[in-house]
Amino acid sequence: EDQVTQSPEALRLQEGESSSLNCSYTVSGLRGLFWYRQDPGKGPEFLFTLYSAGEEKEKERLKATLTKKESFLHITAPKPEDSATYLCAAGSGANSKLTFGKGITLSVRP
Amino acid sequence: EAGVTQSPTHLIKTRGQQVTLRCSPISGHTSVYWYQQALGLGLQFLLWYDEGEERNRGNFPPRFSGRQFPNYSSELNVNALELEDSALYLCASSLGRTENQPQHFGDGTRLSIL
Repeated sequence: EDQVTQSPEALRLQEGESSSLNCSYTVSGLRGLFWYRQDPGKGPEFLFTLYSAGEEKEKERLKATLTKKESFLHITAPKPEDSATYLCAAGSGANSKLTFGKGITLSVRP
Repeated sequence: EAGVTQSPTHLIKTRGQQVTLRCSPISGHTSVYWYQQALGLGLQFLLWYDEGEERNRGNFPPRFSGRQFPNYSSELNVNALELEDSALYLCASSLGRTENQPQHFGDGTRLSIL
């Protein structure tokens, strides 16, 4: 059975304090590793897709990386507006189903 | 470009009732997905529709069903509502059946069962 585990569950950072969010996955036939951001009362907002080990993608203060077992979302010099829940999801096989982790709630203090 | 739209935004029902949730995908997207996000459980895959057909379903009982219309919009129906059905129901859409296309989400329908 496909599994995605995210850690830590919650992370509190000071503005400007860089850190990384972890996503571990066990999936048969990974078709893509997806990162989303979810604000309270909203649906998940798509951030990145990674397809193969060694791939990296960047957007503003965020950088996502992928290995054969894990993905990391690195946040450089975060700002309070980066506070949100970050979800990672793995797509497998040909059934377009995404298996989501439970998310990491990030709080950035000014 | 308009995103995925869902209606209604909130709904309150009682046990045993039936509910219908609606979703309009992004223009040009033919695949629609439904997820349940219950407190503490994360997003759980419910159903996938593409070109009007149900392509896959998650581990949910048959009282969860849906359909996709010729304009690619979709409905999720839940019969015989139970307390544990209280959750945020999210709809997502993507370009066709390409397995690694990102899914784009609406803001969901918050369903509360009393």
